[in-house]
Amino acid sequence: NAGVTQTPKFRILKIGQSMTLQCAQDMNHNYMYWYRQDPGMGLKLIYYSVGAGITDKGEVPNGYNVSRSTTEDFPLRLELAAPSQTSVYFCASSYSSGGLAEAFFGQGTRLTVV
Amino acid sequence: DQQVKQNSPSLSVQEGRISILNCDYTNSMFDYFLWYKKYPAEGPTFLISISSIKDKNEDGRFTVFLNKSAKHLSLHIVPSQPGDSAVYFCAASGDTGTASKLTFGTGTRLQVTL
Repeated sequence: NAGVTQTPKFRILKIGQSMTLQCAQDMNHNYMYWYRQDPGMGLKLIYYSVGAGITDKGEVPNGYNVSRSTTEDFPLRLELAAPSQTSVYFCASSYSSGGLAEAFFGQGTRLTVV
Repeated sequence: DQQVKQNSPSLSVQEGRISILNCDYTNSMFDYFLWYKKYPAEGPTFLISISSIKDKNEDGRFTVFLNKSAKHLSLHIVPSQPGDSAVYFCAASGDTGTASKLTFGTGTRLQVTL
C-alpha cells in the first residue's frame, strides 16, 4: 500500500540548475498538493490540483511550475534553482478539499541549492 | 500573516503525564481543524480533527478541544508515551475560497521523557 511516493529523497542543486520533483499517488485522489517546509516554519502551499489538467497557485508559487496530466502524478518543476528554494518539499493528496478531508503526505524531498 | 499560530516551539513532558499542545487562529472562515504528527525524515500523518460544530473530539489517548469564541484549540495527550515524541502541526480549513486549503501552523516539538 504505497500511498504517496516522492522521488528523489535528497538532492543538491547548483544555482541556476533545473530539476523535477516527482510525486505519485495510488489512492485515486483528485486533489494533490505541493508544500514546502522551511526550518521553524509551517508548511506553505506552493501549488495544488483539483484533478487531471487543472492546477492553481498556492501561497508561494514563484519559481515553480506544475502539471497534472494524470490523476496519479503531480510533478513539481524548478526551472532556475535559487538558494531561497532550499527546503523540504512535501507532496500530498486528498479525496476532497477543505472540510475534514485528511491529506496523505509523501516522505518529502530535501533539496539544497548551493 | 500567520493565520494559524502555535506559539510554543517545543514542549517537554514526562512519560505518563499529560501533554497539552495549543493552537490559535485568526481567520473566522476556518471551520475545520486537524492535527498532524511528524516524525523526522517522514511526512506528516493525520492524527485527529474537529469541526466547529463541536467543542471536543476524542480518539483514544488524544483529545482535541475547540473554543471557537477565543479562536483557540488544544490537543491533549493522556498519558504521554515516548513514541509520542514528534512535531505536531495544527492545521485549519474552511469550506470555500482560499480558506478551503489547509493552512498549517509552525509546529510544536513534543519530547516525552522517561
